[in-house]
Amino acid sequence: SQQGEEDPQALSIQEGENATMNCSYKTSINNLQWYRQNSGRGLVHLILIRSNEREKHSGRLRVTLDTSKKSSSLLITASRAADTASYFCATEGDSGYSTLTFGKGTMLLVSP
Amino acid sequence: NAGVTQTPKFQVLKTGQSMTLQCAQDMNHEYMSWYRQDPGMGLRLIHYSVGAGITDQGEVPNGYNVSRSTTEDFPLRLLSAAPSQTSVYFCASNRQGGNYGYTFGSGTRLTVV
Repeated sequence: SQQGEEDPQALSIQEGENATMNCSYKTSINNLQWYRQNSGRGLVHLILIRSNEREKHSGRLRVTLDTSKKSSSLLITASRAADTASYFCATEGDSGYSTLTFGKGTMLLVSP
Repeated sequence: NAGVTQTPKFQVLKTGQSMTLQCAQDMNHEYMSWYRQDPGMGLRLIHYSVGAGITDQGEVPNGYNVSRSTTEDFPLRLLSAAPSQTSVYFCASNRQGGNYGYTFGSGTRLTVV
């Protein structure tokens, strides 16, 4: 079953604007990860936030994690057309070896 | 450093045929896994391996077999293809210990007719 649920399902913005995507999950986690998928391509790891972290930055990306609400958000600042892609959150559980459980993703369209 | 390599990139099978999707990684990662992605869905785990000789089932294992004889290779076998197995298949690898991002291959787009 899907663990994470992203919101919105689709997002359309102009270049230079910020894009915010949200993710909710159901069970205890070791970490939460965000991936980008360009059309017809594989997934690329963007950023990982551990369960004991609340915020993390990487370049134009900012991720927050609220374990009490079982939710995370990904902010992309100053979006570019090249950011057009699908974005997925994925959680890694906290019991023994655990694989990733993905949400259904947010499709981001950044128009020039 | 090629990362995770999947072959073939595209495949069309007839119902009932069998085939093997290949996956190889050159990063010496202990963990490898197979996912399928269907339209409008995230990725769902088929099988995974925590090291050579060790495999386990994921969320949707029926109709698939795996083996892990070496650290580098993790092939996925479709025993008797069905139209419901039409999907895009991704192989991934990651380091042991948790809290590491996964490296994904570019995928195999499989159509079963």
